[in-house]
Amino acid sequence: DTAVSQTPKYLVTQMGNDKSIKCEQNLGHDTMYWYKQDSKKFLKIMFSYNNKELIINETVPNRFSPKSPDKAHLNLHINSLELGDSAVYFCASSPDRGITYEQYFGPGTRLTVT
Amino acid sequence: AQSVAQPEDQVNVAEGNPLTVKCTYSVSGNPYLFWYVQYPNRGLQFLLKYITGDNLVKGSYGFEAEFNKSQTSFHLKKPSALVSDSALYFCAVSGGAGNNRKLIWGLGTSLAVNP
Repeated sequence: DTAVSQTPKYLVTQMGNDKSIKCEQNLGHDTMYWYKQDSKKFLKIMFSYNNKELIINETVPNRFSPKSPDKAHLNLHINSLELGDSAVYFCASSPDRGITYEQYFGPGTRLTVT
Repeated sequence: AQSVAQPEDQVNVAEGNPLTVKCTYSVSGNPYLFWYVQYPNRGLQFLLKYITGDNLVKGSYGFEAEFNKSQTSFHLKKPSALVSDSALYFCAVSGGAGNNRKLIWGLGTSLAVNP
C-alpha cells in the first residue's frame, strides 16, 4: 500500500488552463503539506493543513488554492496556469503539526505548462 | 534570520570510501535537524533527525549525523559509500518560534558514488 499517493503523476497542459492535483495519505496523519520543487531542485513549502485547518500559507500566488476535504486528503487547484508553474509538486504528511516529526512524501506530480 | 546551508552542490566519492555531506544552520533557540534523501524521479525519504539527546544520530541505510552545537553543524556521514547511495540529499532545520515554527530546507547536495 502506498503511504502518500498523488494523482496524476504527470500533467501537461497549456497556459491559461485550470488544473488540480490530488493527494491522499493512509498513514492516519493529522498534517499534510504541498511543496514545489523547481528545475534546480530547490524545495519550497507552499501550504500546510492540520486536521483540515490551514496552518502554513507561504507567499504563493492566489491562483493556487489548496483544499482539504478531510485529514487524509489535500488537493491543490491551480487557476490560469503560467509557464513558471512548471515544476514537480510534492505532497507530504506528518503525524502532527509539531516540527519534531518527520514528513512522508508522495512520489510527486510533474507539471509541465506549455 | 533562520537559515540552513549546504555548502557543496555536489560531492563525489569512490565506492567503499567514507562520505560526508555538510550542513550548517542558523536558528534561534534549540534547532531540530533533519536529513532527507531524494532518489531520481522519487519523493523525498526521511533518513534521520536530531531533536535532543545524544549528538550522534543513526539513521536509515547506515547513515549517521553528528550535531555540533558550537559549530552549528549537522553533517551527514557514512563509513563506506555504496553506488546506490547516489542521490540528492537535503538538510532541513526548524526555524521560527511557537506555532509558527516550520522547516527550512537547504538547497540540496548531489552525491555521486563512483564504482
